Amino acid sequence: AQSVTQLGSHVSVSEGALVLLRCNYSSSVPPYLFWYVQYPNQGLQLLLKYTTGATLVKGINGFEAEFKKSETSFHLTKPSAHMSDAAEYFCAVRPNTGTASKLTFGTGTRLQVTL
Amino acid sequence: GAVVSQHPSWVICKSGTSVKIECRSLDFQATTMFWYRQFPKQSLMLMATSNEGSKATYEQGVEKDKFLINHASLTLSTLTVTSAHPEDSSFYICSVDGTNSLEQYFGPGTRLTVT
Repeated sequence: AQSVTQLGSHVSVSEGALVLLRCNYSSSVPPYLFWYVQYPNQGLQLLLKYTTGATLVKGINGFEAEFKKSETSFHLTKPSAHMSDAAEYFCAVRPNTGTASKLTFGTGTRLQVTL
Repeated sequence: GAVVSQHPSWVICKSGTSVKIECRSLDFQATTMFWYRQFPKQSLMLMATSNEGSKATYEQGVEKDKFLINHASLTLSTLTVTSAHPEDSSFYICSVDGTNSLEQYFGPGTRLTVT
């Protein structure tokens, strides 16, 4: 069974500061990994994903994440936070079986950006 | 990616009545769709996997007779909450399985309030 742990339910950074949102997974085989963002009362938007290949993945809005197999981690970073980045962020995994499969979500991290 | 819509975006109903939520894939043939519910400040909980032309697969603990899912075409899946009660009040989100892209495309969600 897979699981996802997001450390820190709430993270607060100053505008212009580094954003680091942590995600660790538990799986017998490295899964496919995703980061989604959710703004209030909206659905989820994909920020980035890791399936195969380069372990440093670049996504939209200046976000990136690095897959580290040895650490079973897929932390999300952004060099400089913007006020518009304030939202809920979800890390998710799915088996790399190549067939339609369910996503398992972490509990989410609420990012607050202050002036 | 696929564009997914949900209707209605919000609904208020009285206890004991039924309400239907539609999920449409506007530009993608969706063999598989997923239904999630999300309580305030919590993560997404998968309710069921909806497969076109066959019965939905429900997650453990989800009452299939209460949450009726129909996926009669490649562009439409519906979730009917039968005999709704206040505890069914939640944010319901659907997604489309992107298959080859390995990601899911999410609808904007439906806010259900049962009074």
